[in-house]
Amino acid sequence: DAGVIQSPRHEVTEMGQEVTLRCKPISGHDYLFWYRQTMMRGLELLIYFNNNVPIDDSGMPEDRFSAKMPNASFSTLKIQPSEPRDSAVYFCASSFRTGGTGELFFGEGSRLTVL
Amino acid sequence: TQLLEQSPQFLSIQEGENLTVYCNSSSVFSSLQWYRQEPGEGPVLLVTVVTGGEVKKLKRLTFQFGDARKDSSLHITAAQPGDTGLYLCASPRWPGGGADGLTFGKGTHLIIQP
Repeated sequence: DAGVIQSPRHEVTEMGQEVTLRCKPISGHDYLFWYRQTMMRGLELLIYFNNNVPIDDSGMPEDRFSAKMPNASFSTLKIQPSEPRDSAVYFCASSFRTGGTGELFFGEGSRLTVL
Repeated sequence: TQLLEQSPQFLSIQEGENLTVYCNSSSVFSSLQWYRQEPGEGPVLLVTVVTGGEVKKLKRLTFQFGDARKDSSLHITAAQPGDTGLYLCASPRWPGGGADGLTFGKGTHLIIQP
């Protein structure tokens, strides 16, 4: 089975530009998570969805960040306008609630560089 | 939410040596997971421990969950270059557990030199 698919793998943009990251979760998984990874802060949960509905967006840094999940097979994370401090690797992960273990299946990540 | 501290942050050893890395919290874990992340990839689950005192083995890797469920360790025997990577511990964000996302430690960067 295909894993979590993210695009683009790499994005280099200039400050002020809009960035859109995309994610296709594993079919049948009902939870989708967006994480951000930096050396300083590690992996941070930004937002998660259950059955396409945003449940907790308390980790979203500020209003410049937004996320949508229009259907069970697609989600986007948008940054507008982007800033250099947004440079990080952004991961999408999906899971299926199996006995509460919360195992996450991660994509390969989108490495964002904002100049 | 759970706060996880991992140590050491960096570890570089020679092939064939043994090593142990640690994950600690001031709160009780409902469960704890260990992930390995290779460069350019996302984390991949190695093991989940649930019961205090539990020990699980995965080939040369031994995972232990503390009796009080506030700490865990990962021991690697006869490390090999293929063990190189970032080792992350993670637990449910809330003490009750569930699929509401995981909190991750910052990880141990492990390098095994040939």
